[in-house]
Amino acid sequence: NAGVTQTPKFQVLKTGQSMTLQCAQDMNHNSMYWYRQDPGMGLRLIYYSASEGTTDKGEVPNGYNVSRLNKREFSLRLESAAPSQTSVYFCASSEGADLGGYTFGSGTRLTVV
Amino acid sequence: GENVEQHPSTLSVQEGDSAVIKCTYSDSASNYFPWYKQELGKRPQLIIDIRSNVGEKKDQRIAVTLNKTAKHFSLHITETQPEDSAVYFCAASLSALNTGTASKLTFGTGTRLQVTL
Repeated sequence: NAGVTQTPKFQVLKTGQSMTLQCAQDMNHNSMYWYRQDPGMGLRLIYYSASEGTTDKGEVPNGYNVSRLNKREFSLRLESAAPSQTSVYFCASSEGADLGGYTFGSGTRLTVV
Repeated sequence: GENVEQHPSTLSVQEGDSAVIKCTYSDSASNYFPWYKQELGKRPQLIIDIRSNVGEKKDQRIAVTLNKTAKHFSLHITETQPEDSAVYFCAASLSALNTGTASKLTFGTGTRLQVTL
């Protein structure tokens, strides 16, 4: 049982390049989330998907887009990367955050130079 | 939206002592309060949670208390051990059961706990 799988684990981008972070869960969860983690700022919500076919903005959505491809997969796209997007990105899933909480992926460490 | 403040940002205790981390939240409608532990280079993992209809919950050396009137909740770790060293995050959300939408967790900024020998 893999839980939540994120790829890649590490990535270095040049300013202006684009990339997609992939996330897949095998727990049959309805809701999926993308957070970014920066030193001293905790985890901030970028986008979330309450269920297949729906997506909504979180606290810090600017510069990102998402796709809920199916119930298992939720991808995060940076169209034109900026140094301010250097961060660790976590995908998470839940069957309602209060029903056992979130299960997080292992994270993607992204550096934009 | 919800705002969660967490204190202290760093905490150093000697092995065997107790550690207390405090959080306050702004949205009185929030009713679910989990705590996550994140070891260096690892993903956050849920260690304990509490719902608004409960004032206290305990799991071995870990306990969480909730004061709804004051809108604050705390994590208590007793008899600390070196393996307790990590960053701890509190969070708050409104249960999806009440809203019918995804429960979005708002996290505090984290507390780095160091347990020294």
